[in-house]
Amino acid sequence: EAQVTQNPRYLITVTGKKLTVTCSQNMNHEYMSWYRQDPGLGLRQIYYSMNVEVTDKGDVPEGYKVSRKEKRNFPLILESPSPNQTSLYFCASRAPSRVGGYGYTFGSGTRLTVV
Amino acid sequence: RKEVEQDPGPFNVPEGATVAFNCTYSNSASQSFFWYRQDCRKEPKLLMSVYSSGNEDGRFTAQLNRASQYISLLIRDSKLSDSATYLCVVNSYERGSTLGRLYFGRGTQLTVWP
Repeated sequence: EAQVTQNPRYLITVTGKKLTVTCSQNMNHEYMSWYRQDPGLGLRQIYYSMNVEVTDKGDVPEGYKVSRKEKRNFPLILESPSPNQTSLYFCASRAPSRVGGYGYTFGSGTRLTVV
Repeated sequence: RKEVEQDPGPFNVPEGATVAFNCTYSNSASQSFFWYRQDCRKEPKLLMSVYSSGNEDGRFTAQLNRASQYISLLIRDSKLSDSATYLCVVNSYERGSTLGRLYFGRGTQLTVWP
């Protein structure tokens, strides 16, 4: 089954403790992206990657890092989490052509709470 | 100005009603348009793409007006299971990009009651 897999689904952590949220897709998509979703603010892009070793900042990159060492994986790293990073996070990948409609496939989300 | 603007609602309608959502986008060079559906605390899922000539999928009809930079979604004969948030999504090309970037509206909340 074609899918984007995120882990963990839920995470409660303390301020300053480094964490990584993993994301993996099995569709051979080149483009992957991370979003955070907050009430009233909608989906905001954190980072995206056009291909292996090619990453770029989205709208809200501060406090986050990403890496793209292989096509299928795109982890999100919070080096020193703070309470304002409490949010619902989604990883997504995109079909590379109009055949795929350019639409996204999203992971199931990671609900992060930083206390 | 946000790239994509939507009426946040909420829309509360009875079963069987017809409901329409509207969305405007700011980049006239936008190329592709979509409606996504998001259930509470779940991931957004593609509902349908929006084509220039308008398109229909069962009870759902999507229309695009490029001149007015306006997209709509019409749901006929609403079902309880249609209750969700509907996201308007626009793909806009930026200089140097061959794929473009997706911009999401904040979503319109729909509740269908019995």
